[in-house]
Amino acid sequence: EAAVTQSPRNKVTVTGGNVTLSCRQTNSHNYMYWYRQDTGHGLRLIHYSYGAGNLQIGDVPDGYKATRTTQEDFFLLLELASPSQTSLYFCASSERGGAREQYFGPGTRLTVL
Amino acid sequence: GDSVTQTEGPVTVSESESLIINCTYSATSIAYPNLFWYVRYPGEGLQLLLKVITAGQKGSSRGFEATYNKETTSFHLQKASVQESDSAVYYCALGDPPSGSWQLIFGSGTQLTVMP
Repeated sequence: EAAVTQSPRNKVTVTGGNVTLSCRQTNSHNYMYWYRQDTGHGLRLIHYSYGAGNLQIGDVPDGYKATRTTQEDFFLLLELASPSQTSLYFCASSERGGAREQYFGPGTRLTVL
Repeated sequence: GDSVTQTEGPVTVSESESLIINCTYSATSIAYPNLFWYVRYPGEGLQLLLKVITAGQKGSSRGFEATYNKETTSFHLQKASVQESDSAVYYCALGDPPSGSWQLIFGSGTQLTVMP
């Protein structure tokens, strides 16, 4: 069965802090995605990748970097965190692109004070 | 751009009552989008509940149903008799396979609470 894990599950940091969110998938999927979910908004895509070393920009990339180190691991980096980045972050993977089914991790709740 | 609008939550219903969560979409650049319902149970990630890729077809899963209506651009989620275990957040989404786009467009989610 598809498995996507995220760590940490909860994180509190201060404005200007440095945060790394981790995601690992054991599905052997090529595509991985980072979303944020805010009240009143659907999931919004931050970055995605279709393979190790690849990075593509999503709809809301400002203030975020990402890196795909292996097929399994995808990291989201906030180098100067701001309160506007307080959100629930989801990682997902899919076998192919093109609006196929995506498999999601449990989410990381980030609070920036 | 393309968008999805769904019932604003929270929605509270009693066990064994019927449920409908409305979803309408605007797909200006997509002739025949794929349509999805995802569900997120407390403490878990989103998981696919059902999907329909052909206009006029109905999808079903776990007692839930949704029909792809191209004329009204709708994909409402229905269940005849809800259970307490259905309490979750439900997301409607669309995607465009013909273009090869990676993107799924999600609605804002509807929080459902089923009272015993």
